Amino acid sequence: DVQLVESGGGLVESGGSLRLSCAASGFSFRSAWMTWVRQAPGMGLEWVGRIKTKGESSPTDYAAPVQGRFIVSRDDSQNTLFLQMNSLKTEDTAVYYCYTDASWAGHVWGKGTTVTVSS
Amino acid sequence: QAVVTQEPSLTVSPGGTVTLTCGSSTGAVTSGHYPYWFQQKPGQAPRTLIYDTSIKHSWTPARFSGSLFGGKAALTLSGAQPEDEAEYYCFLSSSGVRVFGGGTKLTVL
Repeated sequence: DVQLVESGGGLVESGGSLRLSCAASGFSFRSAWMTWVRQAPGMGLEWVGRIKTKGESSPTDYAAPVQGRFIVSRDDSQNTLFLQMNSLKTEDTAVYYCYTDASWAGHVWGKGTTVTVSS
Repeated sequence: QAVVTQEPSLTVSPGGTVTLTCGSSTGAVTSGHYPYWFQQKPGQAPRTLIYDTSIKHSWTPARFSGSLFGGKAALTLSGAQPEDEAEYYCFLSSSGVRVFGGGTKLTVL
C-alpha cells in the first residue's frame, strides 16, 4: 500500500526553525512529484510548496507566504521528503501534510504533523 | 494571486443530488486548470476524490462525478449517503499558481 508518514512537528518560538520529514513507501518515490499542504486550526487547506523529480527544470516552487523562508527537498535514497522551515511566524501554525502529486500513486496524503509557533 | 471560490455550505437530503462548484477570480475554469476535488472528514487527512476535472481513483464512489459547467469546475454527488457529510475542497493549478478553494461544508440531512 502507498503510505506517507510525516514527522518532525512540534512547538517552536517565533523566528525559529523546524524540519519536517515525510517517509514514503509502497510506490516509486523517486518518480513522483511531492507536495506540502498545510491547514491552520479551523481553517481550510493551503498549498505550501512542491518538488519535482531529480533532473527536472525548475524543481521547486512555493506559495508566496513561505517563499524565501521554506525549502522543500528530497532524498530519493531514503524515500523521504523534507520541509525546512525558517524564520517561523505565528501564522505558520498548522497541521502540515505531505501529498504525492502522482496519479499512478493514488494522490495519497499523509496523516499530517502539527507545528505550533509561539510568540 | 487567483482566488478560488466555493459555496461555504450546502445541504442535501439522503438519496438526493447536489452540485458543488469551484470558480476562479481570473476567469473561467478550464481543463487547463486540472481541477482536483478532495474530501476531508473531521479529524482526518484529506482524501483525493477526483483529478484532472473528472478522473476518479479506484476508491472514489461512483456517485461522485466531476465536470466543467458554466465556467466553473463542478463536483456532483448523486444519491447522497450519510457518510458523504464532509468538507470538500477544490484545487486549481495553472501557470505556476496553485490554489485551494475555501471549502464547502456538505451536510446530509
